[in-house]
Amino acid sequence: KQEVTQIPAALSVPEGENLVLNCSFTDSAIYNLQWFRQDPGKGLTSLLLIQSSQREQTSGRLNASLDKSSGRSTLYIAASQPGDSATYLCAAALGGIYSGAGSYQLTFGKGTKLSVIP
Amino acid sequence: GAGVSQSPRYKVAKRGQDVALRCDPISGHVSLFWYQQALGQGPEFLTYFQNEAQLDKSGLPSDRFFAERPEGSVSTLKIQRTQQEDSAVYLCASRSLGYTEAFFGQGTRLTVV
Repeated sequence: KQEVTQIPAALSVPEGENLVLNCSFTDSAIYNLQWFRQDPGKGLTSLLLIQSSQREQTSGRLNASLDKSSGRSTLYIAASQPGDSATYLCAAALGGIYSGAGSYQLTFGKGTKLSVIP
Repeated sequence: GAGVSQSPRYKVAKRGQDVALRCDPISGHVSLFWYQQALGQGPEFLTYFQNEAQLDKSGLPSDRFFAERPEGSVSTLKIQRTQQEDSAVYLCASRSLGYTEAFFGQGTRLTVV
């Protein structure tokens, strides 16, 4: 069974600092890995999707990397801002019991709660 | 619609009551998922639909949980005889076929008292 671990569980940084969030997964046979942001009381907002054949994806100040062989992904946030404060979740996509094309389910970590202090 | 829509946003149920949670996926999205998120935890998979077919229900915690998507668009998650341990946020996600990005709704926070 796929297990996803996120370290640290919580992180507090001063505004402007660059930071890295870590995600590890036990089964390297993933289809893709997705990073999400969750604000208190809200749903999940997709940030970046990395396909299994890719090594990294970038969107603005965010950069996510994927190393399937070691079972690791990192989310790099540059020049952090107070508005970045949220819980960040990574999710690894594996096939479910139905093996049809494009069928997969996401296994989530517990998240890293980020606080950016002004 | 522009995104995945879930209703109600909040639901308080007395123990033993039946509840129904609704999900409107993004128009044209073939795949639909339900997840359960307990406080302080990541979401956990409940069930998966491809169009109207429920292809994977391995994550449903008990036979009190039932999901349907009769016309391949709107889905309903029903919980019968609710228990306190059912209290959680229920998230719906949809995506197009292939290994594509999943989009989540705002969730329904269920509190069983």
